[in-house]
Amino acid sequence: DVKVTQSSRYLVKRTGEKVFLECVQDMDHENMFWYRQDPGLGLRLIYFSYDVKMKEKGDIPEGYSVSREKKERFSLILESASTNQTSMYLCASRRGAPGGYTFGSGTRLTVV
Amino acid sequence: KNEVEQSPQNLTAQEGEFITINCSYSVGISALHWLQQHPGGGIVSLFMLSSGKKKHGRLIATINIQEKHSSLHITASHPRDSAVYICAVSTGNQFYFGTGTSLTVIP
Repeated sequence: DVKVTQSSRYLVKRTGEKVFLECVQDMDHENMFWYRQDPGLGLRLIYFSYDVKMKEKGDIPEGYSVSREKKERFSLILESASTNQTSMYLCASRRGAPGGYTFGSGTRLTVV
Repeated sequence: KNEVEQSPQNLTAQEGEFITINCSYSVGISALHWLQQHPGGGIVSLFMLSSGKKKHGRLIATINIQEKHSSLHITASHPRDSAVYICAVSTGNQFYFGTGTSLTVIP
């Protein structure tokens, strides 16, 4: 069974902390994505990566960075967490266009 | 302006009812996806379609490319179908999401 695994289901961090959200996929997919989901706004793309060491900004990259040193792992980094980054974060992967997406189960991050 | 519009936003149904969720989009697409998100956040991909109709169990998804419209139908709805259903379209490497339809099926 193919999987996208996000390291934490729930996370509570303090304002100003550096936060790492990890995503690992075991399907040898080239493309990986980070989204955040907020009520009334749906899913919004933060960053995506076509391949190892490649990254592209999505719709809302401000306050975030990413790292993809290995094909299977795509990390989302909050350089200095703020309360407006409290959200549900979802990772997804895909072999390549026009393939289907596989989502992780999400990380609910609360910044206090 | 949203590239993907879903309706209704919220839907409550009695067990056994036939349910329809609609999705309209405004961009050229390579595929349309229907996703299901249960309480707790995990998302499952239900369908990916670029034409016609697909069926999986009690779920049916249709798409009309000319009208830029898709529908997700649930026959003989059950309380376990209660979830948020999200329509999304893909254009190359970009992915646009609707805001979701929250479905509650009452026993």
